[in-house]
Amino acid sequence: DAGVIQSPRHEVTEMGQEVTLRCKPISGHNSLFWYRQTMMRGLELLIYFNNNVPIDDSGMPEDRFSAKMPNASFSTLKIQPSEPRDSAVYFCASSLRSVTDTQYFGPGTRLTVL
Amino acid sequence: GENVEQHPSTLSVQEGDSAVIKCTYSDSASNYFPWYKQELGKGPQLIIDIRSNVGEKKDQRIAVTLNKTAKHFSLHITETQPEDSAVYFCAARSNFGNEKLTFGTGTRLTIIP
Repeated sequence: DAGVIQSPRHEVTEMGQEVTLRCKPISGHNSLFWYRQTMMRGLELLIYFNNNVPIDDSGMPEDRFSAKMPNASFSTLKIQPSEPRDSAVYFCASSLRSVTDTQYFGPGTRLTVL
Repeated sequence: GENVEQHPSTLSVQEGDSAVIKCTYSDSASNYFPWYKQELGKGPQLIIDIRSNVGEKKDQRIAVTLNKTAKHFSLHITETQPEDSAVYFCAARSNFGNEKLTFGTGTRLTIIP
C-alpha cells in the first residue's frame, strides 16, 4: 500500500513567488497534517484537517500561508508571497481517524526561497 | 502549552553498545509519548510509543520507559547496528485541550562500526 505522497520533492523559487505544495494521504485516512521542519524550530505543526475540515490552524505562521483539502485524497499548502525565511522541509502526515491516532509521514518537500 | 526537551542533541556509540535518549515534558496532562526515527531524506517514522498507563514498553532491541511523576521518558536501543544511525524525535500529546503532538528537537545518533 502506498504511503503518504508529496510533490514536489524539491522546490527552488525566488522571493515573492507563489509556492504550492501537494499531498496525497494514505487511502482511508481521515486526518491530515502539515508540518514544517527547520534547524532552528524543529518540527512544527502548521495545520491539521479531519474529514477534510480544518480543525486547528493555530500553527500557520501568517496570512501568507493557506491550506486546503478539497477532498479526502488531496491537500495543498500554499505560500504567497514566499520569503527566504520560509525555506524549510514541509511534511504532510495522515492518520486513520483523528489526531490521537498514529501519524504516518510523507517524504517531505524541501523548499528553498532565494 | 506543552514543551518537550530532548537530550542529547548528538550521540555517537560503538556498534553493539546501547544508546539512550531522554526527553522531559511540561504538561502533566500529556498521556501519549511516541518516538520517531528520521533517516536522511525521509520523513519521520514511528518506531515505538507508550501511553501513560504503562511504565515500560519493549519491541525487540528498542524500549521506552516513562516516569510520569518526574515527567520524563527515554528511548533505549540495545545492540546498536549501523542502520540505527538516524535522527530520533520524541513527542508528547495531551488528550485535553490542545491535542496536537509537540516534538522534541531531535537527537542525531551515529553508530560507529
